[in-house]
Amino acid sequence: SQQGEEDPQALSIQEGENATMNCSYKTSINNLQWYRQNSGRGLVHLILIRSNEREKHSGRLRVTLDTSKKSSSLLITASRAADTASYFCATDAQLKGEKLTFGTGTRLTIIP
Amino acid sequence: AAGVIQSPRHLIKEKRETATLKCYPIPRHDTVYWYQQGPGQDPQFLISFYEKMQSDKGSIPDRFSAQQFSDYHSELNMSSLELGDSALYFCASSAVGANVLTFGAGSRLTVL
Repeated sequence: SQQGEEDPQALSIQEGENATMNCSYKTSINNLQWYRQNSGRGLVHLILIRSNEREKHSGRLRVTLDTSKKSSSLLITASRAADTASYFCATDAQLKGEKLTFGTGTRLTIIP
Repeated sequence: AAGVIQSPRHLIKEKRETATLKCYPIPRHDTVYWYQQGPGQDPQFLISFYEKMQSDKGSIPDRFSAQQFSDYHSELNMSSLELGDSALYFCASSAVGANVLTFGAGSRLTVL
């Protein structure tokens, strides 16, 4: 079964607005991470939240984690054109060690 | 700072041919992961190595094999290529005990 499913699959907003992306997963996790991918490029790590944390901030990024609902959200505040990219959540299951399983991603487009 | 180096960046092969992709992890990173990403798809985990031993295996076809060498670089060998093998192949590395993966820029394989 798919571990890590993002919604929406695509999101277009005006520059300066906030963008919220959600991720749901199925199994117990150690950590949940968010990665960004520019078209055709490698994935870049943005932020990691541990299973015992509920919220984490990094610059314009805010991540929440609700382990009871097996869901996470990524908020990007004051969006910029350069934020246009695909965003993936990734989880590592407690029983499966280091492997990260990626969700289907949200394609974010910031309109200047 | 040194990143994960992948080669070649682009590769074009005919059906039934063989391809080899190379990955040079970040120095002192001892775990290497291979992911496959089809057009518009999420990255799918193929295989990983820790200290030159296979540590986890995902949806890697039997036609593919991989290994990690004494200098920690890794190679992904793909034989009897099929059209469906056309994808971006990413290598990532991580330090022992670390959850964050650093990805290379990817190798784009096109099978004609």
